Amino acid sequence: DIQMTQSPSFVSASVGDRVTIACRASQGISRWLAWYQQKPGKAPRLLIYAASNLQSGVPSRFSGSGSGTDFTLTISSLQPDDFATYFCQQANSFPFTFGPGTKVDIK
Amino acid sequence: QVQLQESGPGLVKPSETLSLTCSVSGGPINSHYWNWIRQAPGKGLEWIGCVYFSGSTNYIPSLKNRLTISVDTSKNQISLKLKSVTAADTAVYYCARGDYYFTYWGQGIPVTVSS
Repeated sequence: DIQMTQSPSFVSASVGDRVTIACRASQGISRWLAWYQQKPGKAPRLLIYAASNLQSGVPSRFSGSGSGTDFTLTISSLQPDDFATYFCQQANSFPFTFGPGTKVDIK
Repeated sequence: QVQLQESGPGLVKPSETLSLTCSVSGGPINSHYWNWIRQAPGKGLEWIGCVYFSGSTNYIPSLKNRLTISVDTSKNQISLKLKSVTAADTAVYYCARGDYYFTYWGQGIPVTVSS
């Protein structure tokens, strides 16, 4: 199985801050990576797919980059609605696996 | 708009079989992969398996001997059966549509394994 790690596990930030979350795969996955946002008690929401493609309806302040084993999710200017937990997911091979999550909290 | 809705018992006894259904509306079921993903309390997301409309499946190896996922195109439903459950199977179970990335999700159904 491909193991996914994320850093940091917790981010304390203010509205307007630029936030960057890293995701690393245990082996190369090309660009088969997605990012999800999850709020408490809700299902995850797809933000980014294929490493850098913005899902329809997702604000342009979200962006993704990377390939191979190292990936990044960036929120260019944090908004109140963005305080949530973010997960990466590899889609290179079965079984699909997720990172452990990064919680973005209010400073 | 595609909508998914999970249903089933919220409480299952240890050693019994967990059975869940995902009802799909607003779009065809005879395309795409249909997935089950679970989240234990306070934990991350775990993809556990998927089914294609043709019936072909893929399962996470750790559950392969206990898990069955199937599709009923006539009812627009996907089902999950997990045998011999233990407390470790306590989680919110989500169904989600997606071949590689999960674009549509149900609201999730919490399942507790307890006597």
